[in-house]
Amino acid sequence: AQSVSQHNHHVILSEAASLELGCNYSYGGTVNLFWYVQYPGQHLQLLLKYFSGDPLVKGIKGFEAEFIKSKFSFNLRKPSVQWSDTAEYFCAVNQKRYGGATNKLIFGTGTLLAVQP
Amino acid sequence: DGGITQSPKYLFRKEGQNVTLSCEQNLNHDAMYWYRQDPGQGLRLIYYSQIVNDFQKGDIAEGYSVSREKKESFPLTVTSAQKNPTAFYLCASSISADTQYFGPGTRLTVL
Repeated sequence: AQSVSQHNHHVILSEAASLELGCNYSYGGTVNLFWYVQYPGQHLQLLLKYFSGDPLVKGIKGFEAEFIKSKFSFNLRKPSVQWSDTAEYFCAVNQKRYGGATNKLIFGTGTLLAVQP
Repeated sequence: DGGITQSPKYLFRKEGQNVTLSCEQNLNHDAMYWYRQDPGQGLRLIYYSQIVNDFQKGDIAEGYSVSREKKESFPLTVTSAQKNPTAFYLCASSISADTQYFGPGTRLTVL
């Protein structure tokens, strides 16, 4: 069965540190890739997405992610984190099939990021 | 103000009772989804609907039921057959397989 792995469950960083959160998926075909973020007390919202084209994708708030097809990875990065980046981050994948992508998103288990001021 | 609303925010029920969670969207999206979020397990898909009057089971549909009689509404019923119903439930909608937009969630506690 298709799965998404986020190996970092809890990450604690100081402000201005660099961030990289890992995401690997198991599906061998073509995929759409997403990173969602859930700030404390807020809705889950889209951070960035990759459908095709340039594998380096830029999202909101200075985040970016790189799709490496050979490694089945879509790691999230930010050069310098802020206290306001404290949140839970979810990687998600849906499969592309002939005729378009499926609606079914598979989520990773999430990474809780705590940024200390 | 467009978006997805879920009500209530908190819900308490006794064991053995069915309970229905509301989800409404005014984004004119065709597709709607229900997820369950548990600590350390991420989001797991319960049911989804791509168009009105049609829906499919997700990965953990047992003990749940849904209906999609109107485009803007996708209520979820947690039945007494669901063995571990206490959880945070999230509703989402999307235009086809693109970005899903999430509601604020309902936290259900079964006593």
